[in-house]
Amino acid sequence: EDKVVQSPLSLVVHEGDTVTLNCSYEVTNFRSLLWYKQEKKAPTFLFMLTSSGIEKKSGRLSSILDKKELFSILNITATQTGDSAIYLCAVNSGNEKLTFGTGTRLTIIP
Amino acid sequence: GAVVSQHPSWVICKSGTSVKIECRSLDFQATTMFWYRQFPKQSLMLMATSNEGSKATYEQGVEKDKFLINHASLTLSTLTVTSAHPEDSSFYICSAGSWTSRETQYFGPGTRLLVL
Repeated sequence: EDKVVQSPLSLVVHEGDTVTLNCSYEVTNFRSLLWYKQEKKAPTFLFMLTSSGIEKKSGRLSSILDKKELFSILNITATQTGDSAIYLCAVNSGNEKLTFGTGTRLTIIP
Repeated sequence: GAVVSQHPSWVICKSGTSVKIECRSLDFQATTMFWYRQFPKQSLMLMATSNEGSKATYEQGVEKDKFLINHASLTLSTLTVTSAHPEDSSFYICSAGSWTSRETQYFGPGTRLLVL
């Protein structure tokens, strides 16, 4: 059974701090790993990673994948209160189906 | 591009009634759509894969007779919760992959169902 584990489950930091969110996975047939941000409604797409060692970057957010060690990290620098959300990691194992982790609830204190 | 809509966004119904939720891909065609359920403070759980023109594929533990899925066209999938009970109250979300990036699923805004 495919499995995606995220850590920490929750994180509270002050505005301006840098955070690193972790995602490890065990799947039978890896195709890609995706990061989503979920605020009050449905998840919004952040990144899709398919190759090891290539950093994807969007503003203050960046992510990288390690296919040998089977994990990915999502970094957020200079955090803002608008970054408060649940961050979801999901793995596509070849048939378009996504297996989601439990998510990391990030809270940014002003 | 890759916009997915859902309707309704909120529904409250009495126990025993049926509720239909629509999921539409607005600017692309989707042969496959996915239906998820999310309980409070939990992650998204895939319920079923909706295939245009054929039967849906349900995940283990999801009752196909209770959660009816119809994918009548390349832009519309519907989920009907039949004989809803309070334990069916949840946040239901659909998603679809676009033609340009089938692996990047785009999510609808979700439907919050409350069964009294």
